[in-house]
Amino acid sequence: AQTVTQSQPEMSVQEAETVTLSCTYDTSESNYYLFWYKQPPSRQMILVIRQEAYKQQNATENRFSVNFQKAAKSFSLKISDSQLGDTAMYFCAFMTAWIQGAQKLVFGQGTRLTINP
Amino acid sequence: DSGVTQTPKHLITATGQRVTLRCSPRSGDLSVYWYQQSLDQGLQFLIQYYNGEERAKGNILERFSAQQFPDLHSELNLSSLELGDSALYFCASSDAPGRLYGYTFGSGTRLTVV
Repeated sequence: AQTVTQSQPEMSVQEAETVTLSCTYDTSESNYYLFWYKQPPSRQMILVIRQEAYKQQNATENRFSVNFQKAAKSFSLKISDSQLGDTAMYFCAFMTAWIQGAQKLVFGQGTRLTINP
Repeated sequence: DSGVTQTPKHLITATGQRVTLRCSPRSGDLSVYWYQQSLDQGLQFLIQYYNGEERAKGNILERFSAQQFPDLHSELNLSSLELGDSALYFCASSDAPGRLYGYTFGSGTRLTVV
């Protein structure tokens, strides 16, 4: 079974700084998808960024980028020029293969990120 | 508005009772997923339906059941409720196979068992 581990329960940085959130996963699949979701105090789950395992190029979405190391099964999220609105819980997630209509997202335990003014 | 509608937003009920949570997926999405998030925890996968049929099952208790109807909306039934069932229950939907856009989540139903 796939597992996702986020080793940093909490992080705190100053506004405008760069912060990196760690994520490792375990799978025997060769082609898969990885995601980072953000959950602000409103509790809404918001997709931040996705990465396809067969692509060597790291995904980037504005201030958000990932460092995907397939061999190491590592998928970290970097937030540049952090803003107060980035304060949230961040979840790393692994998407299982689509097999006869069956699929699921497996989530890590989350990292609570606080951006201080 | 994500396009995934969950009702009710809040629910308070007593131990031993039964409740039904409802989810309407985003237009065009055939897959519905249910997740449970206990306080400050990660999201635990409960069950997935695709086009009306159960396709994947997670750590869903026997006291819990779900179904997806012909109009694709889904209901999660929780019975013989215990204090530990208090949690935020999310519904998500996706197209098949959901890899382009991930899952779209509803705003959740917060269940409090007293």
